[in-house]
Amino acid sequence: AQSVTQLDSQVPVFEEAPVELRCNYSSSVSVYLFWYVQYPNQGLQLLLKYLSGSTLVKGINGFEAEFNKSQTSFHLRKPSVHISDTAEYFCAVILNQAGTALIFGKGTTLSVSS
Amino acid sequence: GAGVSQTPSNKVTEKGKYVELRCDPISGHTALYWYRQSLGQGPEFLIYFQGTGAADDSGLPNDRFFAVRPEGSVSTLKIQRTERGDSAVYLCASSLTGTRSETQYFGPGTRLLVL
Repeated sequence: AQSVTQLDSQVPVFEEAPVELRCNYSSSVSVYLFWYVQYPNQGLQLLLKYLSGSTLVKGINGFEAEFNKSQTSFHLRKPSVHISDTAEYFCAVILNQAGTALIFGKGTTLSVSS
Repeated sequence: GAGVSQTPSNKVTEKGKYVELRCDPISGHTALYWYRQSLGQGPEFLIYFQGTGAADDSGLPNDRFFAVRPEGSVSTLKIQRTERGDSAVYLCASSLTGTRSETQYFGPGTRLLVL
């Protein structure tokens, strides 16, 4: 079965520190990879996505992610976080030879404090 | 333009009752998705519409759940004989044509509580 694993349920960091949110997936077919962010009382918003080509993907709000096929990972990084980055982050995949539905991980809560 | 909207934002009902949740996608988007997010979990796929037809309903948990999109825009998710386990946030998303590489745009969700 295909699945997405977000290795950390909660990540507390201080403002201006770097952060990495980890995501691993399992699939027997090629995938498209996505990171979504959910701010309190708001809908999911796309941060970035990997479809093909360069394995380093840059997204909004200074986030980036790197696709590693051999390790089946798609970790999200930001070199310096802000208080406003506090939110729930979801990694998701779409299987290239199956339906169009997103398969989500359980999410990682990023808490940024001063 | 406006994003995906969902009504109501909150719904409280009693076990055994019938509920309808509405989704208004981005204008011009032919693809519409319903997901369900239980507490502490990521969203889980329920059903996908391409135009007026349900192209994939493999995520519907049982026959108490049904969804329609009669004119290819607004969609309604219907839950019969609600159970406490149906309590969750129901999310709607739309995309332009349903191609796998497209971004799915999400609404704010409807929080359903079954007492």
